[in-house]
Amino acid sequence: GAGVSQSPRYKVAKRGQDVALRCDPISGHVSLFWYQQALGQGPEFLTYFQNEAQLDKSGLPSDRFFAERPEGSVSTLKIQRTQQEDSAVYLCASSLVVVPGQGGHEQYFGPGTRLTVT
Amino acid sequence: DQQVKQNSPSLSVQEGRISILNCDYTNSMFDYFLWYKKYPAEGPTFLISISSIKDKNEDGRFTVFLNKSAKHLSLHIVPSQPGDSAVYFCAARKEYGNKLVFGAGTILRVKS
Repeated sequence: GAGVSQSPRYKVAKRGQDVALRCDPISGHVSLFWYQQALGQGPEFLTYFQNEAQLDKSGLPSDRFFAERPEGSVSTLKIQRTQQEDSAVYLCASSLVVVPGQGGHEQYFGPGTRLTVT
Repeated sequence: DQQVKQNSPSLSVQEGRISILNCDYTNSMFDYFLWYKKYPAEGPTFLISISSIKDKNEDGRFTVFLNKSAKHLSLHIVPSQPGDSAVYFCAARKEYGNKLVFGAGTILRVKS
């Protein structure tokens, strides 16, 4: 497909379970972002990759959150020992290139994974 | 620390009229501003952007205006269509940064 895809679209986890959320970016897109969106709020930044390098993880809320992009394409966001406050939509976005001071700032989003922790 | 604010949770407009969505920001280090549209159960879709060195950018029915001195931007949709009904997010990118900072969104309803 031409767009960003995410799987699963919906995930229900019991408190304490580990979950893994997958993102397939647009082919050729160098930059990949993860965002968390709580109900009624805008997306909030979690982490950013340029190719396989994780350049910014300042938004990860705790050490239970871990993201990887080992081959510079598909990315996985892992949440260990899920808590109820982790319930949210997790959005992945990709961008062709991000060059400071220039273009390439448009990020293209996938449909998201809605995580519900019970 | 809400750096990007959309103070109107919702807006209702008649089909064919103008829709004006507003956004305020506090950080003068933002260099690009973007508008995204979101339908239920879908991810945000990029709509239009503007560089901080411009004051207007137009794309078809969509125009974004930037007032740097007031730290305010607005999205104008003319004419509004029922298919424009969605949540609209304002976002900003910090100069030399990569992440986007989003507002909370405004629900636009276009009545036919």
